[in-house]
Amino acid sequence: DAGVTQSPTHLIKTRGQQVTLRCSPKSGHDTVSWYQQALGQGPQFIFQYYEEEERQRGNFPDRFSGHQFPNYSSELNVNALLLGDSALYLCASTPRGFSRLDYGYTFGSGTRLTVV
Amino acid sequence: AQTVTQSQPEMSVQEAETVTLSCTYDTSESDYYLFWYKQPPSRQMILVIRQEAYKQQNATENRFSVNFQKAAKSFSLKISDSQLGDAAMYFCAYRSRGEGAQKLVFGQGTRLTINP
Repeated sequence: DAGVTQSPTHLIKTRGQQVTLRCSPKSGHDTVSWYQQALGQGPQFIFQYYEEEERQRGNFPDRFSGHQFPNYSSELNVNALLLGDSALYLCASTPRGFSRLDYGYTFGSGTRLTVV
Repeated sequence: AQTVTQSQPEMSVQEAETVTLSCTYDTSESDYYLFWYKQPPSRQMILVIRQEAYKQQNATENRFSVNFQKAAKSFSLKISDSQLGDAAMYFCAYRSRGEGAQKLVFGQGTRLTINP
């Protein structure tokens, strides 16, 4: 049973460029969340997608956008990259309609984005 | 808004000894979930243990146990019989009980080193 897969694993971009990160959720999961983890920090919630719509959003600028496809996979897009966008981007999936006994998130290994 | 604080940036322990990692949180909610996640160098967040706020009994998973003090808003993790494989970043996280897949709010993390 495949877990959450993210691609690419590493990426180097130049300031001002645009980047797209991809995530395939765990089998049976339909909700995908994205987190940004700066070096030495805890992950920060970016946004969450369910039924191909953004459901929740953290305190991130509009340069950060996303998409969810009918097969539940998701993309994170960042426009006009800044040096401060350098971070590990984690994707987490979960079943939407979970009960009290099933509230776990499965995380991918992340994409390390370096902006130069 | 909820916040999670981990006041120990780094901790170290001798192999086979016991170590306790601290976490405090702030919330006005009465029902929520708390988690400890482990992040090894592979970068993937791995769930260690979870606690439901309405349960007074502290959660235990093999060598891992928590001390949940709801009134004090404290949630510490105790690792008994520490093993070299326990070395990692440990994150405390909070999740609201609300409808759907609520976001995780993470602390800043504690780097745990195991000395052989």
